[in-house]
Amino acid sequence: DTAVSQTPKYLVTQMGNDKSIKCEQNLGHDTMYWYKQDSKKFLKIMFSYNNKELIINETVPNRFSPKSPDKAHLNLHINSLELGDSAVYFCASSQELRGFGELFFGEGSRLTVL
Amino acid sequence: ELKVEQNPLFLSMQEGKNYTIYCNYSTTSDRLYWYRQDPGKSLESLFVLLSNGAVKQEGRLMASLDTKARLSTLHITAAVHDLSATYFCAVVRTAGKSTFGDGTTLTVKP
Repeated sequence: DTAVSQTPKYLVTQMGNDKSIKCEQNLGHDTMYWYKQDSKKFLKIMFSYNNKELIINETVPNRFSPKSPDKAHLNLHINSLELGDSAVYFCASSQELRGFGELFFGEGSRLTVL
Repeated sequence: ELKVEQNPLFLSMQEGKNYTIYCNYSTTSDRLYWYRQDPGKSLESLFVLLSNGAVKQEGRLMASLDTKARLSTLHITAAVHDLSATYFCAVVRTAGKSTFGDGTTLTVKP
């Protein structure tokens, strides 16, 4: 059973389109995240949710909207895609309360905007 | 703002050699992690360092933390090809927010 699973793994789309990525974790963790990794492998946090509540919202364009229907799921919707959005998006989870807080990552969703 | 700097960014070494990757961070922090990423793959946690002087070892990798110097090291002993990967340190200052270094891409050659 995959601990943190993301779908889809690959997305190729045209500029201006809208796309969504879904993430689910079965570890019982209380916190979930979206990270963006660019072509130089730099990793930057985008959003963090703790028990469905948004706790971190970095300076990310409004076109990116996360949604957490429950503490095991965190989705990312992106409107009006731009070339610069091409990257690998990683979902992750951690146990912050009574845990070490280390991140468990999904396999990543590689988004290519043409 | 917390800044995390790793060096070197690229490291090419021969099998059997030793080397150290450095991770400096700019402000006091709660915890420090080391992660490994194989090409085209996800990241996996290697070590969690929670206090000054903490040392953790797993196989040929050893990580240490000096909170006074705001420095962590990842030491590689007698490198083997299987250790080729990108290694990231990540520092937590605010609960729930890990700030990553830029990564060190290690290539171990026979």
